[in-house]
Formats: sequence, C-alpha cells, structure tokens
Amino acid sequence: AQSVTQLGSHVSVSEGALVLLRCNYSSSVPPYLFWYVQYPNQGLQLLLKYTSAATLVKGINGFEAEFKKSETSFHLTKPSAHMSDAAEYFCAVRATGNQFYFGTGTSLTVIP
Amino acid sequence: GAGVSQSPSNKVTEKGKDVELRCDPISGHTALYWYRQRLGQGLEFLIYFQGNSAPDKSGLPSDRFSAERTGESVSTLTIQRTQQEDSAVYLCASSHGTSGGAIDTQYFGPGTRLTVL
Repeated sequence: AQSVTQLGSHVSVSEGALVLLRCNYSSSVPPYLFWYVQYPNQGLQLLLKYTSAATLVKGINGFEAEFKKSETSFHLTKPSAHMSDAAEYFCAVRATGNQFYFGTGTSLTVIP
Repeated sequence: GAGVSQSPSNKVTEKGKDVELRCDPISGHTALYWYRQRLGQGLEFLIYFQGNSAPDKSGLPSDRFSAERTGESVSTLTIQRTQQEDSAVYLCASSHGTSGGAIDTQYFGPGTRLTVL
C-alpha cells in the first residue's frame, strides 16, 4: 500500500530563512514522488518530481527535494523564503495503476 | 494553450439534490483524474480515465457518485442525492497519459467548491 505523511500542517518562517517541509512515504514499489503547490484561489501546480534518476531534485522557484530511501523521506527545502512562497504544499506518491496518493498538506506562512 | 477548466467554480445545493460538475481537460491529454478535497484534508482520489480504457473507479466513495468521459474530452462528475458530507472542493486533473510505466505530470483545474446545505 502507498501513503504519504506530511509532518506539520502549518509552518511559519521568517522572510529569508530556510524553508523545510517534511514528507514521508510508504510504498510497496519503488516510489515516484511529487511536490505540488497551491497558491490562494488557484489550482495545484507541480513544483518538482522524483522519478528514480538523481536523488536531489530541483524544481521551480528555487525549491528542491532530496529522496532518501533509508529514511523513506522526500523533504522539500528552499534556502531563503520569500513572501511569495506563502501557499499550501502537498506531497504525493504515485502508486501502481497510475493512482496518486496525496498528503494532507502543509500551509506555509512567511513572516516579513 | 489553455489549462484545465472546471465549472461551476462554486455550487450550493440542498441535501438530496443531484449535482453535475464539469471538467475540460487540456487538449490532447488522454488521462483525466477526479479528486475530492475536504476542508483541512489532502486530496482523495475518486476516479481515473485513460483513453478508451475502462475507468478506474476504485476511489468512488459510494454508488451515489459516478463520472463519465466522452472520448478524450470533457468529463462530468455526478453526485446523486447529495449529503452534507459531500461538501468539499472537487478537483480535476489531466495529463498526457502513460504507457510502459512512464511518469506523467498532472495539471490541475481550479476546482469546484460544493456546499450541501
């Protein structure tokens, strides 16, 4: 069975500080992992995806995520938060049959 | 080109009524997904269409829920005899479609917010 756990439903960081959003997964097969962002009143957008190539994946807007098999993690980071990063972030894992399982989301607040 | 569109953006209905939600995928995308997002929760998979194959309906929560798709175009999600627990945002996504296990990227619509009174 596949599932995703996002630790921390709300994260607040100061502008310019490191952003770390946590995602742990369980998968009975080699996982394909995704991070999506949802800005207020907008649809979900793909930030980045891991497809078994490089373990460090770079996405849009300066975000990156590292796949760590030993920790079953795929945490999302950004070195320096910007006010425009305030949004809801979702981690997802692709299961067999092309189903996707999403985490419950983490709301990021950036404090000026 | 245009992204995934959904209509209506908001729908308020009375308990027991039927509702239809529409999704227009990106042109040329063979795969289409429906998800439900309840307040404060993650996305819940409902149904998946891939080309002319039989849809994967394993996520539909009850027989009150059904969805159709004509070819590789518009899809309609129908909820019959709505209940208050059906209140949620219903999201549609489309993708190019996969073969041989290739990884596909989903593009999401803005969603339809359904409120059942």
